[in-house]
Amino acid sequence: ELKVEQNPLFLSMQEGKNYTIYCNYSTTSDRLYWYRQDPGKSLESLFVLLSNGAVKQEGRLMASLDTKARLSTLHITAAVHDLSATYFCAVGSSPNFGNEKLTFGTGTRLTIIP
Amino acid sequence: GAVVSQHPSRVICKSGTSVKIECRSLDFQATTMFWYRQFPKQSLMLMATSNEGSKATYEQGVEKDKFLINHASLTLSTLTVTSAHPEDSSFYICSASPGQIGNTIYFGEGSWLTVV
Repeated sequence: ELKVEQNPLFLSMQEGKNYTIYCNYSTTSDRLYWYRQDPGKSLESLFVLLSNGAVKQEGRLMASLDTKARLSTLHITAAVHDLSATYFCAVGSSPNFGNEKLTFGTGTRLTIIP
Repeated sequence: GAVVSQHPSRVICKSGTSVKIECRSLDFQATTMFWYRQFPKQSLMLMATSNEGSKATYEQGVEKDKFLINHASLTLSTLTVTSAHPEDSSFYICSASPGQIGNTIYFGEGSWLTVV
């Protein structure tokens, strides 16, 4: 059974600081997704990582994937208040199939303090 | 704009009644869609895979007779919660993708169900 764990579960950080959210998963997969969820809302896609060593960046967020370690990271640079949200990683588990079911991590609730 | 749309966004129903939630892909055809459930402050759990033209595939522990899924066309899947109970109150979200590897998997806006 695929398990996906994130840490930390809760993160409170000051504006301007850097931090990393970690996502570990238990079985082999080379497809890792990151999503953002605001309170009461659905999921917004941030990154799709499809191979070992993949790195993607958008604004103050950068995601990477190490399939050998079964680890993905989401790095936040110089945090701003607008980044406050819950962040989920999710692992794809349908081989050779783009439209696939996802197993989600526990989520990291990020609060940026002015 | 949204590429996967859900309706209704919020619904309140009485115990024992049934509620239907629709999920539509707006810009692409989807032979497969997925239904998830999210309780407050928790993660998303996959409920079932909706397959156009065939029966849905349910995850372990999900009652297929309670959560009826119909994939009527290449752009529409429906989830019907039958004989709803208060414990069915949750946020229900569907997902779909154009299907090519590397495509973003899009989620609908979600549907808040409250059973009173």
